[in-house]
Formats: sequence, structure tokens, C-alpha cells
Amino acid sequence: DGGITQSPKYLFRKEGQNVTLSCEQNLNHDAMYWYRQDPGQGLRLIYYSQIVNDFQKGDIAEGYSVSREKKESFPLTVTSAQKNPTAFYLCASSIGWNTGELFFGEGSRLTVL
Amino acid sequence: AQSVAQPEDQVNVAEGNPLTVKCTYSVSGNPYLFWYVQYPNRGLQFLLKYITGDNLVKGSYGFEAEFNKSQTSFHLKKPSALVSDSALYFCAVRDPNSGNTPLVFGKGTRLSVIA
Repeated sequence: DGGITQSPKYLFRKEGQNVTLSCEQNLNHDAMYWYRQDPGQGLRLIYYSQIVNDFQKGDIAEGYSVSREKKESFPLTVTSAQKNPTAFYLCASSIGWNTGELFFGEGSRLTVL
Repeated sequence: AQSVAQPEDQVNVAEGNPLTVKCTYSVSGNPYLFWYVQYPNRGLQFLLKYITGDNLVKGSYGFEAEFNKSQTSFHLKKPSALVSDSALYFCAVRDPNSGNTPLVFGKGTRLSVIA
């Protein structure tokens, strides 16, 4: 079945450690996105990529980094510079940029102790 | 700039009654509008979208939404609510005239359907 796979689903880390969240899609979608979800704040865009080897900052990119070396993969690294990294992270993809809806993964919940 | 507002944090409705989840938007031109649903600890699922054409859009699980340009609204509706509809609902908008700007999401409305 085609879809988006995020791993791990739950992750615990100590403060000051970098962590990388995996996002893989087999939908052959060009565009991929990372959102952060916090209670009462909806979804906020971290980074997005329209095509391989290209990505842009979203609204809250500080303290995060991404890469897009392959069409199907868009990993997110939460660095120690991120002030409040505990959150639910959602990866998504879309077949096109213009009118296509987003397909979401099941999310990764990061807790920094 | 594009933005979307969901004025209600929480909506409560009795099972079998009609439900409405409100959404208003602000874009410079004609919007692309979307509704998504999220169940606890899960990703978002697409419900329906309006791009052009008929103002009444039908989507998954019996949901529909009406695009109202004069009121800049895109409310989500269902004629008869089910307990299983209880979830978090997100409205999203994209301004096709804004270049490569991605979807902007509202803050979500929690729907609780009471048996």
C-alpha cells in the first residue's frame, strides 16, 4: 500500500541532544512538508520541499534542519538550538504543488526530558 | 497574505443532530480550501476540498462544505452526527496567487458528539 511512513512514533531524548525524525513516502509525490503540532496552536510549517535537492524554510524553521537527497525521503533533524522541541511532528506529501491535497504520516511524538 | 480562522475551539452536538464546524478565510484572490480530520495521536486525513465550480462540495464520511465567497466562509457540515465523528477538524487555505506558499492551517476545532 502506498503511503507515508514516519519513524519513530515515540521518541525520548535528553536536553541538548540532536534527534532525527524519519519520513519516507512511496506515493511518488514531488512535494514534502514538515509540520509541528502543539495543543491549541494548530499546525505550523517547519520546512517544505518542492523537489529533490531543494527545500525552503517555513514559519518556524529555527532550530531545525532538513535534507532532500531522494524523492521519497525528507528527514527532519531537531537540533539542540530548538528552544522547546517537545511536540508532535507531522510529515506530509502532495502530488503537486498547486491544487493537490496533502497526505499525512501518522506523526512522531518527541519528548525532551 | 493568506490566513484562516476557526472561531470555535470546541463544538458539542448530540448524536443524530446536524453539525457545523465553522471556517473563515482571508486571501487576495480566489482561494483553494480544504478540510482535514485528525483522530487522537494520528496524522491528518483529507475530507474534502474546494478549488472551483459548485459551491457545495461533498467529501468523505458524509461530510460536505459550502463555499461562500461573500462571507469568506467554508463551513463543514454533516446532516446527522455520529459518535465516531468526534475528532479534531482543521480548515486550510491556499492562495493560488501567492506563488509557492504552502497550505495555511487553522488552529483546529474539537468536535464532540454525545450519544
